Amino acid sequence: EVQLLESGGGLVQPGGSLRLSCVASGFTFSNYAISWVRQAPGKGLEWVSGISGSGGSTYYADSVKGRFTISRDNSNNTLYLQMNSLRAEDTAFYYCAKDKYGYGELDYWGQGTLVTVSS
Amino acid sequence: QTVVTQEPSLTVSPGGTVTLTCASSTGAVTSGYFPNWFQQKPGQPPRALIYGTRNKHSWTPARFSGSLLGGKAALTLSGVQPEDEAEYYCLLYYGGAQLWVFGGGTKLTVL
Repeated sequence: EVQLLESGGGLVQPGGSLRLSCVASGFTFSNYAISWVRQAPGKGLEWVSGISGSGGSTYYADSVKGRFTISRDNSNNTLYLQMNSLRAEDTAFYYCAKDKYGYGELDYWGQGTLVTVSS
Repeated sequence: QTVVTQEPSLTVSPGGTVTLTCASSTGAVTSGYFPNWFQQKPGQPPRALIYGTRNKHSWTPARFSGSLLGGKAALTLSGVQPEDEAEYYCLLYYGGAQLWVFGGGTKLTVL
């Protein structure tokens, strides 16, 4: 059974940093690209960042480019999102999602972790 | 800035048929955008329905179908069930810019 479990969310002050983790199981982790998608409370989905199976290619939405860094540890089946210079508008549930073929076929999703940026 | 537009809300009667669309600010949506469709119910993560314009996941009910329609990606629900009431999102791939953009979502009411 494919499972994705996010962690690391919490309350952080504007300008602060946070690192999210996503632990995967039930599939060969290194074979698949993974994306981070966020959703502000009561709002729509926003694609944030993606990474290839090898970790050699990374992609970012303009809204987070230069502030967020995606990475992965294939030996531990774990995806990361390092978030720096956080802003109030980064407040959201953050989901990790497995990409079936690498073109946005986000077939399995985690339950999400909530990041709140507030003073 | 690339914008993907969906109908904000639609209402359909049980047993009826409804089509949701997904448009790109860059022009006509083609299969090269690899349109995906997701369903989300309150308090739950999104659930994948359609990928690559018209392909269904193993769990996607047969009443859901994807297509291209008039320069847009489309999701059609035939024989709508009460449990289909949810928010629906499309996702397009912009290969040149290496980014993915979600539509704003369509709130589907079954009434």
